[in-house]
Amino acid sequence: DGGITQSPKYLFRKEGQNVTLSCEQNLNHDAMYWYRQDPGQGLRLIYYSQIVNDFQKGDIAEGYSVSREKKESFPLTVTSAQKNPTAFYLCASSHDRNQPQHFGDGTRLSIL
Amino acid sequence: SQQGEEDPQALSIQEGENATMNCSYKTSINNLQWYRQNSGRGLVHLILIRSNEREKHSGRLRVTLDTSKKSSSLLITASRAADTASYFCATDGNQAGTALIFGKGTTLSVSS
Repeated sequence: DGGITQSPKYLFRKEGQNVTLSCEQNLNHDAMYWYRQDPGQGLRLIYYSQIVNDFQKGDIAEGYSVSREKKESFPLTVTSAQKNPTAFYLCASSHDRNQPQHFGDGTRLSIL
Repeated sequence: SQQGEEDPQALSIQEGENATMNCSYKTSINNLQWYRQNSGRGLVHLILIRSNEREKHSGRLRVTLDTSKKSSSLLITASRAADTASYFCATDGNQAGTALIFGKGTTLSVSS
């Protein structure tokens, strides 16, 4: 079955540590996205990529970094510069920016 | 940047009743989409309505779009307990190179 997979489901970060969240899709979608969701809030865009080897900052990119070396993969690194990383992180993909997005089941990141 | 704003923030109804959620947005759009999110899960696409459409149906879902008022509504008829979830509208902002912008959502509770 085609879909989008995020791992791990739960992740814990120590102070000063970088952590990487994985996102893989086998839908053959060109575009991929990372969102952050805080309790009772909507989705805020961190980064998005419309094609391999290209990505753009979203509204809250500070403290995060991404890469898009393969069409199927769009990992997100939460760096130590992100002072409030505790949140639910969602990855999505779509054929292009105007098409419906398919979401993974998220990674919940907490600080130890 | 928050484009869509859903109203109400929370809605509680009995099974069998209809549920109506509204979304207002600020700039012109190519299309507007509605998504559903069950607790702790990723979003699931429900329906996409283009700017030149006024109404669209999918099963028990009915979406309307009024571009003159920059607003949309999602009607769920004959609600079931399984419809309990958060519902988000998302707009494309009608600007090249931008991603979808999500609202903060309406939390629907359907009790049996």
